[in-house]
Amino acid sequence: ELKVEQNPLFLSMQEGKNYTIYCNYSTTSDRLYWYRQDPGKSLESLFVLLSNGAVKQEGRLMASLDTKARLSTLHITAAVHDLSATYFCAEGAQKLVFGQGTRLTINP
Amino acid sequence: AAGVIQSPRHLIKEKRETATLKCYPIPRHDTVYWYQQGPGQDPQFLISFYEKMQSDKGSIPDRFSAQQFSDYHSELNMSSLELGDSALYFCATERRPDTQYFGPGTRLTVL
Repeated sequence: ELKVEQNPLFLSMQEGKNYTIYCNYSTTSDRLYWYRQDPGKSLESLFVLLSNGAVKQEGRLMASLDTKARLSTLHITAAVHDLSATYFCAEGAQKLVFGQGTRLTINP
Repeated sequence: AAGVIQSPRHLIKEKRETATLKCYPIPRHDTVYWYQQGPGQDPQFLISFYEKMQSDKGSIPDRFSAQQFSDYHSELNMSSLELGDSALYFCATERRPDTQYFGPGTRLTVL
């Protein structure tokens, strides 16, 4: 059974701090995705990671992929309130299997 | 840029009624995926279509069916609705091997 596990599931942090969300997956997938979801809204694509060692950055978010360890990370640098949301990782070449999501709250 | 369109955005039904959800892909996207997201849950894959043929099936109840039409739009038909069917239903579309883009979702409430 395909499994994707994220941790932590809940994260409350102060503005200006750095933190990392971890995503472990169980298969030798060739694709790892990160999505952001605001409450009641759609899933916004953040990153697609396609190969071992891939690193992508957009603003204060940086994602990386280690296919040997079956681990992806989403690093948040100098967090700001606008980044408060739920972040999902997902893996799959076609249908996506999602992690449980990390609910991130950034406090002023 | 054009996005995925879903209709209706909100739907309220009674138990045992039927519902039809529609998804209009981004132009030139040939693959449609349907996902169900319960409250506080992660999205769960239901079914997918590639070039109008069913390509994969997930945890979709037998009461649900779906198809993709010649213009690539897709419809998810849900019958004998149950309270537990209340959820956000997303379709996502892609033009392989690109990423999946999600629509705004249909919020289904079954009373």
